[in-house]
Amino acid sequence: SAVISQKPSRDICQRGTSLTIQCQVDSQVTMMFWYRQQPGQSLTLIATANQGSEATYESGFVIDKFPISRPNLTFSTLTVSNMSPEDSSIYLCSVGSRLVVAAFFGQGTRLTVV
Amino acid sequence: KNEVEQSPQNLTAQEGEFITINCSYSVGISALHWLQQHPGGGIVSLFMLSSGKKKHGRLIATINIQEKHSSLHITASHPRDSAVYICAVSISRGAQKLVFGQGTRLTINP
Repeated sequence: SAVISQKPSRDICQRGTSLTIQCQVDSQVTMMFWYRQQPGQSLTLIATANQGSEATYESGFVIDKFPISRPNLTFSTLTVSNMSPEDSSIYLCSVGSRLVVAAFFGQGTRLTVV
Repeated sequence: KNEVEQSPQNLTAQEGEFITINCSYSVGISALHWLQQHPGGGIVSLFMLSSGKKKHGRLIATINIQEKHSSLHITASHPRDSAVYICAVSISRGAQKLVFGQGTRLTINP
C-alpha cells in the first residue's frame, strides 16, 4: 500500500488568485494522477503527472489553468490558476504503478473560491 | 450514457439493515474498485476486484465479469457506515487511470 499526504486539506481563496496543492507519497510510484470532484459530482481526471516531463492533460483541462509539477517519483504539485468560483471543488491526488492495480488517494483538498 | 452506472444514487436505511449498492459498466476492464468517501473528502479504497467475491469485516464485494456488474454489500449496517460509496473501473491493464461512477450516498440512521 501507499500512504499519501496531501495539503492543504482545505482553503478559501479569493477569485483571481492561485493555489498550489502538494501531494507526497511514502514510496516511489510510477504514476500520479490529479482529479477534480465538483460539488455533487463524481471524480474527473485532470491529468497524469509525469516525472521529468510535462503532464498529460485530459480533454477540457489545460496546462495554463492547471500547471502540474513532478520533480521526482514521490512528489507532485497541482496549481489552480486565476481561480473563479467555478473552481470550487475537491481536488484529489492518486497514485499507482503498472505492477500494482490498486487505488490509493490522498485526503483531498476542499477548495472554495469566493 | 456513463460508462459506469451506480444505483441507487441515494440510500437511507436503519441501523442493522443489510445494504446493497450496485454497479454496472459498459467497457472492458482490468479491475473494479469500491471506494468510500467521507464528508471531509478523503477517499479510502475498500476493495479491488477482477473476479469472484471478496469479504472484509461486514463488507462484501462481488463481481460478475460476464454480466459487467458488481455489488457492494454491508451487513449489520451502522451509522458510521454513512458515506458516499463509489464504484470505479480500471480500463487499461496496469494503468491506474480510473473511470468513476456517480457515487451512492448512504445514510444509516440509529
